[in-house]
Amino acid sequence: KQEVTQIPAALSVPEGENLVLNCSFTDSAIYNLQWFRQDPGKGLTSLLLIQSSQREQTSGRLNASLDKSSGRSTLYIAASQPGDSATYLCAVELNDMRFGAGTRLTVKP
Amino acid sequence: EAGVAQSPRYKIIEKRQSVAFWCNPISGHATLYWYQQILGQGPKLLIQFQNNGVVDDSQLPKDRFSAERLKGVDSTLKIQPAKLEDSAVYLCASSLGALAGGYNEQFFGPGTRLTVL
Repeated sequence: KQEVTQIPAALSVPEGENLVLNCSFTDSAIYNLQWFRQDPGKGLTSLLLIQSSQREQTSGRLNASLDKSSGRSTLYIAASQPGDSATYLCAVELNDMRFGAGTRLTVKP
Repeated sequence: EAGVAQSPRYKIIEKRQSVAFWCNPISGHATLYWYQQILGQGPKLLIQFQNNGVVDDSQLPKDRFSAERLKGVDSTLKIQPAKLEDSAVYLCASSLGALAGGYNEQFFGPGTRLTVL
């Protein structure tokens, strides 16, 4: 059974800092891995999707990497801003989508 | 392009009552998903539809939960009777599905926050 773990559970950083969020999964047989952002009281917004054949994806200040063999992904956020404060979820998909519990990020002005 | 719509946004009921949630997916999306997200956890898939057929309902508590997508578009998720542990956010998502050829990005609605007292 696929298990997805995200570390840390919560993170607080000063504005402008670069940071890395970690995601690990137990079964490397996946179609893709997706990073989502969730704001309080709102649904999930897809940030980056990495297909199993890819190693990384970039969008603006965000860069996500995937190492399928080791069951790991990282989300790198450059020059963090207070508006980046949210919960970040990773999810892996094969027959269904399995989510981690998320990392709650706070960026302090 | 309109996103996934859900209603109501919030619902408070007492235990043993019934409740229903509605979802309208993105136009043209064949696959529809219902997730349950308990506070502090990631979303857990309850049921997946491909058009109006059920693909996966292995994690749906079928003694109290039911869902339908009769015309392959809108969907309704029902809980009857509700328990305290059903308090959660219920998220609906949709995707192109098999037509996407393996690239199956899911788009999520805002969710319905259910509180069972």
